[in-house]
Amino acid sequence: GAVVSQHPSWVICKSGTSVKIECRSLDFQATTMFWYRQFPKQSLMLMATSNEGSKATYEQGVEKDKFLINHASLTLSTLTVTSAHPEDSSFYICSASGQISNQPQHFGDGTRLSIL
Amino acid sequence: GNSVTQMEGPVTLSEEAFLTINCTYTATGYPSLFWYVQYPGEGLQLLLKATKADDKGSNKGFEATYRKETTSFHLEKGSVQVSDSAVYFCALSEDAGKSTFGDGTTLTVKP
Repeated sequence: GAVVSQHPSWVICKSGTSVKIECRSLDFQATTMFWYRQFPKQSLMLMATSNEGSKATYEQGVEKDKFLINHASLTLSTLTVTSAHPEDSSFYICSASGQISNQPQHFGDGTRLSIL
Repeated sequence: GNSVTQMEGPVTLSEEAFLTINCTYTATGYPSLFWYVQYPGEGLQLLLKATKADDKGSNKGFEATYRKETTSFHLEKGSVQVSDSAVYFCALSEDAGKSTFGDGTTLTVKP
């Protein structure tokens, strides 16, 4: 089946630093990638939708300048958490989908971000 | 807008018990329906799917039938195992790739 690789799987860093998370589709062209945030024992909260070669579409309440998304190719999207603070600590998950509608998303294994 | 309502958890069962996790949805069109499973510390994995009314998705002993008349997609398994302990998410998709998720149901199976 389709594979999505997310890296790193775990990050611990100091407050004020920026953290980049990569999401790669390994065996298919991902025209659309999604970035989610998940708090403990809660569902996924969609942060933004990114389409290859265009600006990401952010959900209401998500700070665009805080969470920078780049989708430069059909196999790679990145999420950069800029000037991270402890409240940004969370589990971030990416997913990717191809060009056919109504198909399941393929998820990465997630990145646990801890800001000290 | 679209929404998915899942049975609240947590659900605790003994091994070999019968499992039902209820899921109902509202959608403007004709969505595809999915069940995903999330094991601790991992991302989501597709468990099964159904793309039109009366379709039955099945995988690893789990089943769910797309019921348009009741707008439901309940997940069932006849005999659960300890290894089935995880969080289960019901989801629908209408637009290309974009999905709406339920809140998740935590299942714990005890030996």
